Amino acid sequence: EAQVTQNPRYLITVTGKKLTVTCSQNMNHEYMSWYRQDPGLGLRQIYYSMNVEVTDKGDVPEGYKVSRKEKRNFPLILESPSPNQTSLYFCASSPQGRNEQFFGPGTRLTVL
Amino acid sequence: GENVEQHPSTLSVQEGDSAVIKCTYSDSASNYFPWYKQELGKRPQLIIDIRSNVGEKKDQRIAVTLNKTAKHFSLHITETQPEDSAVYFCAVWNNDMRFGAGTRLTVKP
Repeated sequence: EAQVTQNPRYLITVTGKKLTVTCSQNMNHEYMSWYRQDPGLGLRQIYYSMNVEVTDKGDVPEGYKVSRKEKRNFPLILESPSPNQTSLYFCASSPQGRNEQFFGPGTRLTVL
Repeated sequence: GENVEQHPSTLSVQEGDSAVIKCTYSDSASNYFPWYKQELGKRPQLIIDIRSNVGEKKDQRIAVTLNKTAKHFSLHITETQPEDSAVYFCAVWNNDMRFGAGTRLTVKP
């Protein structure tokens, strides 16, 4: 089944404790991206990747890191999480950027 | 960067009525305009999209119109049904994807 998976789905952590949210797609898509969704603000892009080893900042990259070492995986890293990073995070992929994006199920992160 | 504005933020209609959601963008180089539907607790899913070389596209009860000169595009839902109740997001592609803030549509039976 073609899909985008994210793990974990729910995470409660404390300020400053490094965490990684994994994202994987099995559709051989070149483009992958991370968004955060906050009430009233829609989906804001954090980082995106046009292909392996190519990543670029989106609208709200501060406090986040990503890597794209292989085509299928695009992990999101929070080196030192803070409460303002409490949000719902979505990973997405598409054949190329200018195409339908397929979203993962979302990760709800709470930073205390 | 691209600035996407979406209106209205909430919309309530009676079942069977039409619903229209509008988005404006700032960069005339933008060339791909999708609309996503997000049901409560679910992930966003594409419902219709349009590219800059087309003025209108229709898929059953859903249509999107694009006015490149005025830099706006709209989602039209006809004969609304309760299952159309969701949050709808417009988006614009110009080297990256920018989303509008969303419209919460409620269809009252």
